[in-house]
Amino acid sequence: GENVEQHPSTLSVQEGDSAVIKCTYSDSASNYFPWYKQELGKRPQLIIDIRSNVGEKKDQRIAVTLNKTAKHFSLHITETQPEDSAVYFCAASPTGRRALTFGSGTRLQVQP
Amino acid sequence: DAGITQSPRYKITETGRQVTLMCHQTWSHSYMFWYRQDLGHGLRLIYYSAAADITDKGEVPDGYVVSRSKTENFPLTLESATRSQTSVYFCASSESQGINYGYTFGSGTRLTVV
Repeated sequence: GENVEQHPSTLSVQEGDSAVIKCTYSDSASNYFPWYKQELGKRPQLIIDIRSNVGEKKDQRIAVTLNKTAKHFSLHITETQPEDSAVYFCAASPTGRRALTFGSGTRLQVQP
Repeated sequence: DAGITQSPRYKITETGRQVTLMCHQTWSHSYMFWYRQDLGHGLRLIYYSAAADITDKGEVPDGYVVSRSKTENFPLTLESATRSQTSVYFCASSESQGINYGYTFGSGTRLTVV
């Protein structure tokens, strides 16, 4: 089955700096890669996703890049703000299978 | 979102007891999922369902039972609870159509087995 590894496990940045979270996946058949944000005590919420036929996708201050050859994808957050502080999860799903495999999460702390 | 609800929000049970966690969605989404969240492990899939009466095992199914007699409900039963099943349980649903199928999660159930 699919295995998703996520790094780093914790990340602390100054407000206004950029943050990058990286994930690798094992199943070359995976074609859908969402990212979720989970604030303390809350449910995970989808923030951005990308499919394997696209190399990069942006939505305001967040972007995701995908390298199919290397089987890794990354989340980029620019101009970080204190409200970006949360745990971020990457996930992957193979073609024809809706069940997502999640990474272990990255706790991002944005220092004001 | 109010469209997917879990109950109870908190539950304390004793080892060996049977406990059922409820999940209800109002969107008529075909797919429903149960994940458990433990520190350091992220979200791990327990069971999922593609439609009523269709269920399949995930990564960590042992000790759990699911059923889906109606599209809107997907209960998760711990037949004989163990301390290792202390966790936060999230239910999620997803549309069957569309090329991007991000989940919508419920608010979670925090289960403590003593």
